[in-house]
Amino acid sequence: QVQLQESGPGLVRPSQTLSLTCAVSGASISIPNYFWSWVRHHPEKGLEWIGYMYNSGSTYFHPPLKSRVSISVDTSKNQFSLRLSSVTAADTAVYYCARSRGGRSYNGMDVWGQGTTVIVSS
Amino acid sequence: IVMTQSPLFLPVTPGEPASISCRSSQSLLHSNGYSHLDWYVQKPGQSPQLLIYLVSNRASGVPDRFSGSGSGTDFTLKISRVEAEDVGIYYCMQGLQSRTFGQGTKLEIK
Repeated sequence: QVQLQESGPGLVRPSQTLSLTCAVSGASISIPNYFWSWVRHHPEKGLEWIGYMYNSGSTYFHPPLKSRVSISVDTSKNQFSLRLSSVTAADTAVYYCARSRGGRSYNGMDVWGQGTTVIVSS
Repeated sequence: IVMTQSPLFLPVTPGEPASISCRSSQSLLHSNGYSHLDWYVQKPGQSPQLLIYLVSNRASGVPDRFSGSGSGTDFTLKISRVEAEDVGIYYCMQGLQSRTFGQGTKLEIK
């Protein structure tokens, strides 16, 4: 059974960089055609997709966030990471990692982590 | 692509049906013939979970009282008989260009 577990600092100062990691168990993060996403939930605005990583390093980001986001992978630890720069209070949210398949095998984001809360405050 | 859901608040009596509408600002039909529209629910205190993918395919373990339909820009999630455990916020999500979610529909039990 595939499980995802987010981790990272719960408090980030404004203008700093948010860094989170998603540890994957029960499956290899290197399997082709699997997409590993980051999604966040704002208390007032609902869900927002941030971006995904696939094929051990290719990435695609949500255009409004593209200039501030990066996603990297550590295949040796079977985990992937999110970095969001120049954060503001608007980046306060619960951050989730999630998995989906790509192409003809697409079946939605069927596995999610439990989420980690990040507060941006001085 | 902007996703618009209605209603935003949906009180339902247990055993009664419920329906949520989702409209996209442009067609979600991909050149592969599939419309890239999923439904998710976030129950209180839980992570979002997948209900329906590609308009009408139920995810593993989802009861058959949940069904999805639609095409082009208009999509619907239906629950044939609402149960207490269905309380939560329901989101549609398009996957044709990047990914964007609707505002969410809060289903509560009367």
